[in-house]
Amino acid sequence: EAQVTQNPRYLITVTGKKLTVTCSQNMNHEYMSWYRQDPGLGLRQIYYSMNVEVTDKGDVPEGYKVSRKEKRNFPLILESPSPNQTSLYFCASSQQGGDEKLFFGSGTQLSVL
Amino acid sequence: AQSVSQHNHHVILSEAASLELGCNYSYGGTVNLFWYVQYPGQHLQLLLKYFSGDPLVKGIKGFEAEFIKSKFSFNLRKPSVQWSDTAEYFCAVMGRGSYIPTFGRGTSLIVHP
Repeated sequence: EAQVTQNPRYLITVTGKKLTVTCSQNMNHEYMSWYRQDPGLGLRQIYYSMNVEVTDKGDVPEGYKVSRKEKRNFPLILESPSPNQTSLYFCASSQQGGDEKLFFGSGTQLSVL
Repeated sequence: AQSVSQHNHHVILSEAASLELGCNYSYGGTVNLFWYVQYPGQHLQLLLKYFSGDPLVKGIKGFEAEFIKSKFSFNLRKPSVQWSDTAEYFCAVMGRGSYIPTFGRGTSLIVHP
């Protein structure tokens, strides 16, 4: 089954403790991206990747890092999480981005205390 | 900078009522337009998209949307809603050649049986 898999589904952490949220897709998509969803703000893109070793900033990249060492994986890294990064995070992929529909993961609810 | 405005933040309807959700965008160029739906506890799924051609596009589950270029609008419609349409709906815009979509704040739709 074609899907985007995110882990973990829920994560509670403390300020400053590095964390990684994993994202994997099995559709051989070239384009992958991360979003955060906050009440009243909709989804905002954090980072995207057009292919292996090709990443670029979205609208809200501060405080986040990503890597794309393999085509299927696109982890989101928070080196030093802060409470304002408490949010619902979604990973998404598409064949080439831009003109293609996005396939979303199930989301990761992150709470930073 | 591109922006998306969804005018209705909360909509409550009874089954069989007609639905229209507004979406206006601001962008200085050609755009691709999307409507995504997020059912309770689930990830976002594509309802429909417009890239070019017939401005009236039909999507899944009886939804349709009309692109009116002169009004920078892409309103979502459904003639008769069902209880199962209860969800959050997001309008999204992506400029041609861009890889960063802009989402609206979302509209929460509740359909009473």
